[in-house]
Amino acid sequence: AQTVTQSQPEMSVQEAETVTLSCTYDTSESDYYLFWYKQPPSRQMILVIRQEAYKQQNATENRFSVNFQKAAKSFSLKISDSQLGDAAMYFCAYTSNYGQNFVFGPGTRLSVLP
Amino acid sequence: DGGITQSPKYLFRKEGQNVTLSCEQNLNHDAMYWYRQDPGQGLRLIYYSQIVNDFQKGDIAEGYSVSREKKESFPLTVTSAQKNPTAFYLCATQLRGATNEKLFFGSGTQLSVL
Repeated sequence: AQTVTQSQPEMSVQEAETVTLSCTYDTSESDYYLFWYKQPPSRQMILVIRQEAYKQQNATENRFSVNFQKAAKSFSLKISDSQLGDAAMYFCAYTSNYGQNFVFGPGTRLSVLP
Repeated sequence: DGGITQSPKYLFRKEGQNVTLSCEQNLNHDAMYWYRQDPGQGLRLIYYSQIVNDFQKGDIAEGYSVSREKKESFPLTVTSAQKNPTAFYLCATQLRGATNEKLFFGSGTQLSVL
């Protein structure tokens, strides 16, 4: 069965600085999708970024980028120029090519210090 | 205005009582999911449905039941057999057959036991 691990339960970053959240996963499949979701205090789940495993190029969305290392099964999220609004729980998630089930990691709580 | 509506936002259950959480969507998405989130933990899959009149158990289906009589609706019943129902429940949808496999989430229902 696929598993997703986030080894950092909590992280903090100074406003305007850069922070990297770690995620590793375990799968025997070669084609899949990886996601980072953000859950602010409102508890609304918001998609931050998405990566397709067959694409070697790392995904980027404005201040958010990933470092996707397929061989190492690693998928870290880098947040540049951190803002107070980035404070939230961040969940790494995996789904196979068929997308029938998402597997979520336990989450990393990010605090942004003014 | 397209989206996913979960109701109620807060729900209280008495001992031995069944309660039903509502999830309605007007995104015309085929797949619908129910997740449970406990404090400080990731999301765990309860049930999912790919098409009308069909659904499958997730990882923690015991004590829960669902129906999918309409494409737009996927209600979740928390039965008296679920001994620890206090949690935050999230409904999600997914457009099947699209290259973008992301999940869209509702705003959640917080269930507590009286």
